[in-house]
Amino acid sequence: DGGITQSPKYLFRKEGQNVTLSCEQNLNHDAMYWYRQDPGQGLRLIYYSQIVNDFQKGDIAEGYSVSREKKESFPLTVTSAQKNPTAFYLCASKAVESGNTIYFGEGSWLTVV
Amino acid sequence: RKEVEQDPGPFNVPEGATVAFNCTYSNSASQSFFWYRQDCRKEPKLLMSVYSSGNEDGRFTAQLNRASQYISLLIRDSKLSDSATYLCVVNRPRGSQGNLIFGKGTKLSVKP
Repeated sequence: DGGITQSPKYLFRKEGQNVTLSCEQNLNHDAMYWYRQDPGQGLRLIYYSQIVNDFQKGDIAEGYSVSREKKESFPLTVTSAQKNPTAFYLCASKAVESGNTIYFGEGSWLTVV
Repeated sequence: RKEVEQDPGPFNVPEGATVAFNCTYSNSASQSFFWYRQDCRKEPKLLMSVYSSGNEDGRFTAQLNRASQYISLLIRDSKLSDSATYLCVVNRPRGSQGNLIFGKGTKLSVKP
């Protein structure tokens, strides 16, 4: 089935450790996005990529890094520099021809312990 | 003014009720508008796009008022399964991608 797959769904991390969240899509979408959602808050854009080997910072990029080596993959690394990493992380993608409609993966819950 | 603003609710309504949500946006150059639905601890899912002339999908009607910069969603004959958080989404017209801005959502709880 076509879709966006995020893994892991739940992740616990010790303070000071980096962690990488995986996002894979088989929709042949050009653009991919990472959002963060905190309880009772709207989604905030971390990074986005319009094309392979190119990505741009979103509104809250500090403490995060990404790569886009393949069209279908857009992993997000949460580094130890991110002060409040506990959140729900959502990966999304969009086809150029779909206007601005984006579709989400099921999300990854990251908890720092 | 916030980029996208919604009444957080919660809206508690009985089954069969009609309920309306409003959303205001600050950038008059925005061109794309959507309503997404998000169930508890799940990802947002597209409910419907919002077109200038207004559009309807079954029990759901979306309207856009560009002059006042607000979007509305009307749900008729509410079902228990409509209980969710409804997110208003507007594009931010910068660069070539028009990144999307999400409201914090309005929580709807439909009771038997």
